[in-house]
Amino acid sequence: DVKVTQSSRYLVKRTGEKVFLECVQDMDHENMFWYRQDPGLGLRLIYFSYDVKMKEKGDIPEGYSVSREKKERFSLILESASTNQTSMYLCASSLLPPVAGSYNEQFFGPGTRLTVL
Amino acid sequence: DAKTTQPTSMDCAEGRAANLPCNHSTISGNEYVYWYRQIHSQGPQYIIHGLKNNETNEMASLIITEDRKSSTLILPHATLRDTAVYYCIVRVAGNTGNQFYFGTGTSLTVIP
Repeated sequence: DVKVTQSSRYLVKRTGEKVFLECVQDMDHENMFWYRQDPGLGLRLIYFSYDVKMKEKGDIPEGYSVSREKKERFSLILESASTNQTSMYLCASSLLPPVAGSYNEQFFGPGTRLTVL
Repeated sequence: DAKTTQPTSMDCAEGRAANLPCNHSTISGNEYVYWYRQIHSQGPQYIIHGLKNNETNEMASLIITEDRKSSTLILPHATLRDTAVYYCIVRVAGNTGNQFYFGTGTSLTVIP
C-alpha cells in the first residue's frame, strides 16, 4: 500500500516563526502536492511538484514556499507564520499519468493541524 | 472557482443505498470525474473515477449522464462507517501534474 506520512499531526507555533511541514511518500511517485483545508472552503491547492527540484504554484501560494530535494520528500515552508495560516495541511502524492489526460488517483497523508498563535 | 456543485449535506438510513449527486456542467471532453471521501480527522481517500461510462468497484458505483454534465455516486448498502464528506472532483489535465480542484463536498450522515 502507498503510504504518505506527515511529520506531525498537531503543531502549535507563534506568529512570525518559520514553520516546516514535512511529507514523505514511499511509492516512488513523481507528483506531490500540498493542500490546506478550511471549514466551508474545502481543499485548496498551495503548491505541487512533478519532479525533484521542480515546483508549481497552486491556487493559494502566497505566504508559502516549498522544497523538493529528494523524490520522496516534499516540504512546505511558512517563512513567517501568521494567524490566518492556522489550518489543516494535507500532503498528497500520485504517479505521473502515463498519457496526457488519463487518470491518476492521489494518495493523501493524515494531515497536520497547525495552529498559529 | 470550484468546477463542481454538490449538496451541502445528506442523510441516509443504514443498509439503504446512498445516492450522492454532482453537477459539472462545464466539464470538457478529456476531463475525468473523481470521487473522494474524507472521514473525520483523516486525509481524503480515493473512491472511484470515470470518463463517460458507468463504473463500479468494491466501494461504489459511478453513474455519469450521457451529456456528462452530472454524475451520481452510489453506495449500495450504506454503513455507519460511510459517514464522511464526499468530494466530487473534475480533474484538470495539466501539462505536467494532475491538479485537482476540491469543492466543499457533501457531508453524508448514515443513520442507524
